[in-house]
Amino acid sequence: SQQGEEDPQALSIQEGENATMNCSYKTSINNLQWYRQNSGRGLVHLILIRSNEREKHSGRLRVTLDTSKKSSSLLITASRAADTASYFCATAGHSGNTPLVFGKGTRLSVIA
Amino acid sequence: NAGVTQTPKFQVLKTGQSMTLQCAQDMNHEYMSWYRQDPGMGLRLIHYSVGAGITDQGEVPNGYNVSRSTTEDFPLRLLSAAPSQTSVYFCASSYSGRHGSGYTFGSGTRLTVV
Repeated sequence: SQQGEEDPQALSIQEGENATMNCSYKTSINNLQWYRQNSGRGLVHLILIRSNEREKHSGRLRVTLDTSKKSSSLLITASRAADTASYFCATAGHSGNTPLVFGKGTRLSVIA
Repeated sequence: NAGVTQTPKFQVLKTGQSMTLQCAQDMNHEYMSWYRQDPGMGLRLIHYSVGAGITDQGEVPNGYNVSRSTTEDFPLRLLSAAPSQTSVYFCASSYSGRHGSGYTFGSGTRLTVV
């Protein structure tokens, strides 16, 4: 069953705006990861945040994690048309060696 | 460095046929897994392996078999294809370990069962 639940399901913004996607999960985790999937392609790993971390940055990406609320957010700043894709959160259980469980994803459309 | 290679990219099967989806990685990753992706369902785990000779079931294992005889290869076998197995299949690999690491995905196999 799905562990992560992304919100919103779909998001449409103008180029240059910021995009925020949220993920909620149900059970304790070792880490949470975000992936991007362009249409018809495989998933690409974006960022991993561990349960003892609260915020992480990578280029235009900012991820936060609130383990007390069992939620995470992915912020893409100054979005570009090339950011148009589906974004998935995935959680790993306590041992870190358990397989990733993915949410259903957020479809982001960035309009030029 | 090819990463994760999946073959074939597309396949059409008749109900009842069997086939093997191939997955190979050249990164010496211990951890490999198979997911299926259906519209509106996200990715669901079929089977996974934490190393050669070790496999385990995921969320939706029925109708599929796997084996892991080498570190590099993790084939997925469909025993008797059914229309419900029409999906896009992704293989992924990663370093194993207590702290976890990101997965590298293949480009997928789009399977249609008629």
